[in-house]
Parts: sequence; C-alpha cells; structure tokens
Amino acid sequence: SQTIHQWPATLVQPVGSPLSLECTVEGTSNPNLYWYRQAAGRGLQLLFYSVGIGQISSEVPQNLSASRPQDRQFILSSKKLLLSDSGFYLCAFTPPSGSSYNEQFFGPGTRLTVL
Amino acid sequence: QKEVEQDPGPLSVPEGAIVSLNCTYSNSAFQYFMWYRQYSRKGPELLMYTYSSGNKEDGRFTAQVDKSSKYISLFIRDSQPSDSATYLCAMSHSGNTPLVFGKGTRLSVIA
Repeated sequence: SQTIHQWPATLVQPVGSPLSLECTVEGTSNPNLYWYRQAAGRGLQLLFYSVGIGQISSEVPQNLSASRPQDRQFILSSKKLLLSDSGFYLCAFTPPSGSSYNEQFFGPGTRLTVL
Repeated sequence: QKEVEQDPGPLSVPEGAIVSLNCTYSNSAFQYFMWYRQYSRKGPELLMYTYSSGNKEDGRFTAQVDKSSKYISLFIRDSQPSDSATYLCAMSHSGNTPLVFGKGTRLSVIA
C-alpha cells in the first residue's frame, strides 16, 4: 500500500536558523510530490511541486526552496527562517503523471514555530 | 473572484443531523473534485473523489457535482461527534495539474 512519511512532527527554531523538512513516499514509483503550508485561517498554500527527480516548480517566491534528490524523497529547506515561516507544513503525493486518477494523499504534517 | 469559494463556518449541528457543505468555483475547466476531512493538527484525509458531474455515495457521505452551476456539495447523514473536523474541497482540470483548495469549513457535531 502507498504511504507517506514526514519528519519531524514538530519543530521550534529561532529566527535566522536553517530548516530542513523531509518527506518520503512508499509503495509507488514516480509520484508527483507537493509541499503546502497551512496557516491559521488561510487554507492550504501550495509552495512547490515536482513531477520528477530534479524537477521543481515554485508557486510562491520566498526564502524557501525544495529539492527532490530521489524519486520518492522531497525536501523543503531554508537558509534563514523568518517569523512568517511559522505554520503547518504538509507534503502530499499523487500517482504518476498519465494515471487516470489524481487523488492527492497527504502526510501527517510538520508544525513549525519560528521564535 | 477567487477560484474556489468555501464558507469557513464554523458550522455547529446536533448529533444525527444532516450536514450540507458546499463550494463554488469559477473555472469551468475543472473536472476532478475532491473532499478532504482534516482533524486538528493532522494532515487532510481524502473522503470523496468525483470525476465530472453527478453524485457519489459512500456510507453516510454523498458528494454532488453540478458543473452547470459550478457548485459542489458534500452531505453527511446521521452526523456523529467524530465528524467534527474541517472539511476542504479541492479540484483540478487535469490529472497532472495541482489541486486548487477551498479554505475549509469547520464543523462541530454536538452530542
């Protein structure tokens, strides 16, 4: 069966520190991968998505970046965190491009607090 | 006009009530429609998936899509306290494009 993992579950970081959040998918090959941020009262904001290794599309210009070093691994990074980076970060995947369905499945999320 | 509009609530109903949750959208190219349930501090969980117009039923949940009105609904019958969560609608126009989400409706079912 297909599963998605994220870690860490919670993180408290000082302003200006670096960030690395990891997401891995099991049970499928060549998935489309997504990073979202969910802030209170603001819904889900798509940050990045990837249709393959090394292929990253950025939806929102900011101090975050994403990488996909392996087929089922997606990493969200920052060199210097801002207070506004606080939020609930969600990774998601859909079946490979060309599949009949595009149901999107979410990971458990990482709650980031920047102080 | 936003692509997807969803009343944020909160919506509070007594246990056993029929709940109706709705989203409207502006992009007539949308063909794939989904409903997610999100419990507090958890990732969204896919509840219902519908392609194009029509109804889909799964247990106490029914999803309806009216493409002519650009309107989708999720009905919950015999609502339970365990249904208390935020419900998000989502849609896209093809299998390879990112989903567009509503902001979610917070539902409370009171025992």
